[in-house]
Amino acid sequence: GAVVSQHPSWVICKSGTSVKIECRSLDFQATTMFWYRQFPKQSLMLMATSNEGSKATYEQGVEKDKFLINHASLTLSTLTVTSAHPEDSSFYICSARAGGAGISNQPQHFGDGTRLSIL
Amino acid sequence: GDSVTQMEGPVTLSEEAFLTINCTYTATGYPSLFWYVQYPGEGLQLLLKATKADDKGSNKGFEATYRKETTSFHLEKGSVQVSDSAVYFCARSGNTPLVFGKGTRLSVIA
Repeated sequence: GAVVSQHPSWVICKSGTSVKIECRSLDFQATTMFWYRQFPKQSLMLMATSNEGSKATYEQGVEKDKFLINHASLTLSTLTVTSAHPEDSSFYICSARAGGAGISNQPQHFGDGTRLSIL
Repeated sequence: GDSVTQMEGPVTLSEEAFLTINCTYTATGYPSLFWYVQYPGEGLQLLLKATKADDKGSNKGFEATYRKETTSFHLEKGSVQVSDSAVYFCARSGNTPLVFGKGTRLSVIA
């Protein structure tokens, strides 16, 4: 149980392109989803937290107009990297958790990540 | 704020060696504690968890005990295999997202 599916797993595209990454919770309702970015051999960097039906909360330094997050249903959140440039190349990982916002002792379940390469 | 500190790697062990990866956490509130594992090119997988003091989480031969007195949750395995090579993240529950340590890279050589 608690499977999170992330798609696509690998994207290569030209500079200036917008890229959409989907994150789905397959067997549970994810009221809260998280988007992370991971640089090679480094830990996860939280980009934003999204709750179904409301605007995402972005971490300091993350451009919300650059990284558009939509959490339209209890099983789907999307991250769109708009007008991507080579510096946006990275490994993006989504995570989902059952239950509402605020303090939670529930584990987070992770997708397999999307490797984004901008040429 | 809430934080997790884990030993920095990389850790290199021979097959069948004993593994310990140290993890300590800030003691605010009554957090749940987790170990996640990340294999190359993949997302994170929940390895084990403990929700209260003295609980022992275990999975795939790995164990960790929630020690409130030392605010620790060290990961152990008695005999590592090459397939255990991965990055291990300690985490605690906090205010909304989990709080992760920086990760410890483990390499097991045959």
